[in-house]
Amino acid sequence: QQQVKQSPQSLIVQKGGISIINCAYENTAFDYFPWYQQFPGKGPALLIAIRPDVSEKKEGRFTISFNKSAKQFSLHIMDSQPGDSATYFCAANSRATGNQFYFGTGTSLTVIP
Amino acid sequence: KAGVTQTPRYLIKTRGQQVTLSCSPISGHRSVSWYQQTPGQGLQFLFEYFSETQRNKGNFPGRFSGRQFSNSRSEMNVSTLELGDSALYLCASSPRPIGEQYFGPGTRLTVT
Repeated sequence: QQQVKQSPQSLIVQKGGISIINCAYENTAFDYFPWYQQFPGKGPALLIAIRPDVSEKKEGRFTISFNKSAKQFSLHIMDSQPGDSATYFCAANSRATGNQFYFGTGTSLTVIP
Repeated sequence: KAGVTQTPRYLIKTRGQQVTLSCSPISGHRSVSWYQQTPGQGLQFLFEYFSETQRNKGNFPGRFSGRQFSNSRSEMNVSTLELGDSALYLCASSPRPIGEQYFGPGTRLTVT
């Protein structure tokens, strides 16, 4: 059973546009929600993360929006650049289970120049 | 600081053999987790070690095992390899018992 559901599976955006990736979860015990960026041949790199006590977190061009009641969170990439082309994973974790993270299935983002 | 390092980077094994993968966490990190990444299943949690103790284990058969040494370096072992074990095996370390994870580049295992 997929604990974290991610969509879309792939996304094509024009340079300068906004990329939006969505994730949903069921386990209300989750209390930490990171996003990872992965380039081919590399391991995932932590991009930005949020805890459920805030509804939004922004770091540069990357913003996480969090809706606790809907059990959904999303990644927004503003002013998307070709260098942002990568696979993005959302994840979730509960402090009760230490560092065991549950990952979404990934979104392949392509930014067209 | 140096990042998480994993050795070897690539490995080809035959069905039925066993394999050992190694992970060196970021200096000072005591938590090490292992994940299996495949195109169909994404990243699946294998197990986590903290201060040489296994804290969590994912839903994988007993053929998958691991350990952590006193210097926080970790190894994972897969015995009796199956074709379906072909995957990218990722190691991640964390500076805290609960916190953000930093991934290594992975070991690409191919079972023939």
